[in-house]
Amino acid sequence: DTGVSQDPRHKITKRGQNVTFRCDPISEHNRLYWYRQTLGQGPEFLTYFQNEAQLEKSRLLSDRFSAERPKGSFSTLEIQRTEQGDSAMYLCASSSTGAGDQPQHFGDGTRLSIL
Amino acid sequence: GENVEQHPSTLSVQEGDSAVIKCTYSDSASNYFPWYKQELGKRPQLIIDIRSNVGEKKDQRIAVTLNKTAKHFSLHITETQPEDSAVYFCAAGETSYDKVIFGPGTSLSVIP
Repeated sequence: DTGVSQDPRHKITKRGQNVTFRCDPISEHNRLYWYRQTLGQGPEFLTYFQNEAQLEKSRLLSDRFSAERPKGSFSTLEIQRTEQGDSAMYLCASSSTGAGDQPQHFGDGTRLSIL
Repeated sequence: GENVEQHPSTLSVQEGDSAVIKCTYSDSASNYFPWYKQELGKRPQLIIDIRSNVGEKKDQRIAVTLNKTAKHFSLHITETQPEDSAVYFCAAGETSYDKVIFGPGTSLSVIP
């Protein structure tokens, strides 16, 4: 079990640029989640997948945000035309369903800073 | 909508004392209540969770209680140690593999 890994760990970009983050879940986990965490707050749900299917997307999520999990393994989160308010830690988590259901395990996150 | 409240926001205790953090939730469909510990600059780590079919669960110095009727759940840490200092988040969801809604966190400081 290598845990959930996220790349990059840090991203600094100028306002208006597009950014993409990657998450590799624990290998046997079929569910993958994206959360956003700002300083002093709890993680805020963004979206989640079962295999390649996106099950739910937060209504708070702007159309500038899109997530994919094309082969049911790793996932990408893209933010287009970044804004100052997008600065946050983006956390990925994974879990599994069924008889051996597992709780969510988090990665170290990608810290996004918008200049 | 779905909401999880958490109190207190900060908590300082002397080493060896107990710490209690309380949460309330709004969604009646919630049946799963995890607690995460997050140290500065690190990932949230699951420390204990409870499902709605039980009222209490213990793991060494940590215990959680759940009152589903009142929509309250609490984390109890006994014999606190300096390494318990961190931010603790409660959360609520339908199952362990559905989305969870997090509380705003409690910053716990254990004073040696």
